[in-house]
Amino acid sequence: GENVEQHPSTLSVQEGDSAVIKCTYSDSASNYFPWYKQELGKRPQLIIDIRSNVGEKKDQRIAVTLNKTAKHFSLHITETQPEDSAVYFCAAMRGTYKYIFGTGTRLKVLA
Amino acid sequence: DAEITQSPRHKITETGRQVTLACHQTWNHNNMFWYRQDLGHGLRLIHYSYGVQDTNKGEVSDGYSVSRSNTEDLPLTLESAASSQTSVYFCASSQGLDQPQHFGDGTRLSIL
Repeated sequence: GENVEQHPSTLSVQEGDSAVIKCTYSDSASNYFPWYKQELGKRPQLIIDIRSNVGEKKDQRIAVTLNKTAKHFSLHITETQPEDSAVYFCAAMRGTYKYIFGTGTRLKVLA
Repeated sequence: DAEITQSPRHKITETGRQVTLACHQTWNHNNMFWYRQDLGHGLRLIHYSYGVQDTNKGEVSDGYSVSRSNTEDLPLTLESAASSQTSVYFCASSQGLDQPQHFGDGTRLSIL
């Protein structure tokens, strides 16, 4: 079945630096890749998503890149701020509406 | 505003008891999902539904059941609660293909 690996599990960066989180998926038929941010005790919230017909998408300080050949996609956060500290989850979907989630990355932005 | 709500937010119960967690969405979404979230495992799919009277098993469905009698609700039932089912449970819904899932606030369930 589909498997999504997410790395690293924890990431600490200095405020203002960039953060990159990478996910690898196994099912080449996957065609939708969302990223969620989850603050402590809160619900996961969608921050950006990308579809398989697009290689890159940006939204202000956040960007996602997709490499279909290598079957990996990455979240890039630039100019990190303390409020970016949270757990980030990637997911892959292949058209059956079911997500397979990665195991999460705990991002700490150090002031 | 349309929303997805879960109740209760917190629950403590004993092993062997039947427990039902509620999920209600007002977006009129056809697709609804239940996940459990445990440290080190991320979010794992328990059951999902594509519409009224449709239910399907996810990757960790043993010990859980759902029913879909209307568009708005997908209650999750633990038939005989076990300590291994202590977790945070999230409900989600989506409009359709390639559309993002929107999550509720979660239910923290402790089984003693």
